[in-house]
Amino acid sequence: EAGVVQSPRYKIIEKKQPVAFWCNPISGHNTLYWYLQNLGQGPELLIRYENEEAVDDSQLPKDRFSAERLKGVDSTLKIQPAELGDSAVYLCASSDRGGRGYNEQFFGPGTRLTVL
Amino acid sequence: RKEVEQDPGPFNVPEGATVAFNCTYSNSASQSFFWYRQDCRKEPKLLMSVYSSGNEDGRFTAQLNRASQYISLLIRDSKLSDSATYLCAAEPRSYQLTFGKGTKLSVIP
Repeated sequence: EAGVVQSPRYKIIEKKQPVAFWCNPISGHNTLYWYLQNLGQGPELLIRYENEEAVDDSQLPKDRFSAERLKGVDSTLKIQPAELGDSAVYLCASSDRGGRGYNEQFFGPGTRLTVL
Repeated sequence: RKEVEQDPGPFNVPEGATVAFNCTYSNSASQSFFWYRQDCRKEPKLLMSVYSSGNEDGRFTAQLNRASQYISLLIRDSKLSDSATYLCAAEPRSYQLTFGKGTKLSVIP
């Protein structure tokens, strides 16, 4: 079974530029998460989707960050404009709400963003 | 106080040793707990889930102490390949995980 897929794996941009990250969750997983991880820190939740609905976006900086999951499968996270402090790894995770380990989250490889 | 706290380490242990990490959580409403392993520049990988008092999987044992609000991870017979950062996560609200900063383990030949 394929795991969570993310692209790109690495992205280098200049500040004030826009950037987008893409995630395809594990097949059948209806819950999708976007996390941010800084060096030496644990992942921090940005947004959680149940199917196509964003059910928890309280930690998403909405002035510059946006996300969508239009058909309830893959998702895109966008930053516009990017700031130096946005340099981090952006992780996508998914879980199967109806499954036995319903809240076990599985992570993709992440996108490492560097803002110059 | 942070919701989930871990000793960052590093824990440097010889091969074959037994090592234990503790993780404390502040929200007593947390019901489920998880240990993830994260290798350098890789994503976190689920190691163990803890829903009741504990869980065991081979050389790895996780124990939950609700009274003192901590979970532990015990690794027996450490292997070089166990070297990684171990992240603890609690579920204070349904479907939302709060992670600690991780504990770094280095197993030395």
